[in-house]
Amino acid sequence: DQQVKQNSPSLSVQEGRISILNCDYTNSMFDYFLWYKKYPAEGPTFLISISSIKDKNEDGRFTVFLNKSAKHLSLHIVPSQPGDSAVYFCAPNSGSARQLTFGSGTQLTVLP
Amino acid sequence: DAGITQSPRHKVTETGTPVTLRCHQTENHRYMYWYRQDPGHGLRLIHYSYGVKDTDKGEVSDGYSVSRSKTEDFLLTLESATSSQTSVYFCATLAGGSTDTQYFGPGTRLTVL
Repeated sequence: DQQVKQNSPSLSVQEGRISILNCDYTNSMFDYFLWYKKYPAEGPTFLISISSIKDKNEDGRFTVFLNKSAKHLSLHIVPSQPGDSAVYFCAPNSGSARQLTFGSGTQLTVLP
Repeated sequence: DAGITQSPRHKVTETGTPVTLRCHQTENHRYMYWYRQDPGHGLRLIHYSYGVKDTDKGEVSDGYSVSRSKTEDFLLTLESATSSQTSVYFCATLAGGSTDTQYFGPGTRLTVL
């Protein structure tokens, strides 16, 4: 029973275009949503987050949108760059110890 | 970057042997976590700690134990390693308080033959 689903295992986009990565969740107790980026042989690195009281958060080229009624969030990267090629994980948290529940990830490839 | 190191970075062991992985942090973060990453599963929580000597189970805790005798160290032990525990293990920390961002270590690749 996956509480967090990233239904696209992979995504390819051209350099300079927009990348849109999607994430769906089922647990209504999630109140904070994080996106992590992971390169091979490295640990995940924090990218951007959004609180459940907001519907949009922007940081430079990265914007996260949250639709609570649909239990859906998306990460937009514009313009996409070859260095953005990595696996992106959606990871909501909950509980007093702020445990993260990870999606299975989306491999983004940005083509030059 | 929360000053997290993991040791060893790579280990090959045999079925039935005990294995201990170490996570060390320098930022005095209250919370520490152990995850494993397997293809198709993202990262899954094994155990976590919310203070010295305070630990709890995560989603996939069977076959694993943890200990935290000092704020800076969180140990993950496989009492008797099995091939299903072949994985990449990540440690993470969280400062606590109003922050919600976990920071991850570089990972340990464990192979159980």
